[in-house]
Amino acid sequence: AQSVAQPEDQVNVAEGNPLTVKCTYSVSGNPYLFWYVQYPNRGLQFLLKYITGDNLVKGSYGFEAEFNKSQTSFHLKKPSALVSDSALYFCAVRVSFPNDYKLSFGAGTTVTVRA
Amino acid sequence: AAGVIQSPRHLIKEKRETATLKCYPIPRHDTVYWYQQGPGQDPQFLISFYEKMQSDKGSIPDRFSAQQFSDYHSELNMSSLELGDSALYFCASSLTTLTPRSPLHFGNGTRLTVT
Repeated sequence: AQSVAQPEDQVNVAEGNPLTVKCTYSVSGNPYLFWYVQYPNRGLQFLLKYITGDNLVKGSYGFEAEFNKSQTSFHLKKPSALVSDSALYFCAVRVSFPNDYKLSFGAGTTVTVRA
Repeated sequence: AAGVIQSPRHLIKEKRETATLKCYPIPRHDTVYWYQQGPGQDPQFLISFYEKMQSDKGSIPDRFSAQQFSDYHSELNMSSLELGDSALYFCASSLTTLTPRSPLHFGNGTRLTVT
C-alpha cells in the first residue's frame, strides 16, 4: 500500500524566513510524489512533482522540494516565505505498479506566514 | 488555459434527497477522478474512470454512483443523502498516457450541504 505522512498539522513562520513543510512516504514501488496547495474553498493546485532524476525539484511560486530516498522524505521548501503562502499544503503519492494511479494524500499541513 | 470545470459550485439538499454533481475535464484528458473532502480532512478518493470505464474504486458508498460519458465528462450521483455526506467534492482529470508521471488537475469543487 502506498501512503504519505505529514507529521506537522501546522507550520508558522515569519515573512521572509525559510519555510519547510515535511512529508515522508511509504510505497512498495517507485514513488511519484506531488505537492498541492489549497486555498480556502478552492481546489487543489499543483505545485511540483518528483518523478526521477534530480533530487531537488523546482516548482511554482518559488517552491522547491527535496527527494531523499534513504530517509523516504519529500520535504517542501521555500527560501523566503510570503504572507500569501498561507494555505493548506498536501503531499501526495502515486505508484507505477500495480498501476495505482490515484493520488493518495497526506493529512495536510496548514501554513501560516505572519507579517 | 482550460481547467477542470465542476458544477454546481454549491448545493444544498435535504436528507434522503438525491444530488448530481458534474465534472468537465480538461480537453483531451481521458481520466477522471472523484474525491471527497470533509471539513478539516484530506481528500479521500471515491472513484475514477478511464475511457468511460471505471478504473478504480475507493471509499465510495453504495448510495453513490458515477459514470463517464462519451464526451469524457463525468457525473457523480448521490442518493439517500445523509448529513455526513456534507463535504467538498472534487473532480480531477489527467491524461492517461502520461500517468503516473502527470499530475492530477483539480476543479474548484462542489460544496454539498445536507440539512
